[in-house]
Amino acid sequence: DGGITQSPKYLFRKEGQNVTLSCEQNLNHDAMYWYRQDPGQGLRLIYYSQIVNDFQKGDIAEGYSVSREKKESFPLTVTSAQKNPTAFYLCASSPPLLSPTDTQYFGPGTRLTVL
Amino acid sequence: DQQVKQNSPSLSVQEGRISILNCDYTNSMFDYFLWYKKYPAEGPTFLISISSIKDKNEDGRFTVFLNKSAKHLSLHIVPSQPGDSAVYFCAASDMNRDDKIIFGKGTRLHILP
Repeated sequence: DGGITQSPKYLFRKEGQNVTLSCEQNLNHDAMYWYRQDPGQGLRLIYYSQIVNDFQKGDIAEGYSVSREKKESFPLTVTSAQKNPTAFYLCASSPPLLSPTDTQYFGPGTRLTVL
Repeated sequence: DQQVKQNSPSLSVQEGRISILNCDYTNSMFDYFLWYKKYPAEGPTFLISISSIKDKNEDGRFTVFLNKSAKHLSLHIVPSQPGDSAVYFCAASDMNRDDKIIFGKGTRLHILP
């Protein structure tokens, strides 16, 4: 089955610790994205990558880091510098250059809670 | 600056009636618009899209209308069903520029029995 997997579904961490969220896709998509969702907010773009070994900051990249060493994988690290990390994190992927028949496909999300 | 605006945070509609969700955008370069549906603790799923060369796209119970001069689009769901209760995100993209999709804040739709 083709799709996007995110693990774990729920994640707890202590304040001051870094944590890495996993995102894997087997859709052979070039582009991958990380979003954050907070109550009453839309999906806000953290980072995106259009090709392996390349990524760009989104609207709220501060306190986050990513890598794109493989096409299938786009892990997101939430660092201790992120002031308000408790949120629902969504990973997505898409073929390059959206066309009328293409959309972004989303993973199931990871809910991160900082204690 | 919010480029995609969904001004109604929530909407309640009787089962069987029409649900109309509205969305406004400010960037005139947007040429592709999408609606996503999201249940709690799940990722959004694609619902329907429309290119700026059209003013209407229909898929079963779902119809999206685009008014380019008003920079406004709407999603109509007819008839509304209990399973339609979810958060609906409007999104837009400038396909000539990059792959980024800009999302609105979402509208929570409650279908009442």
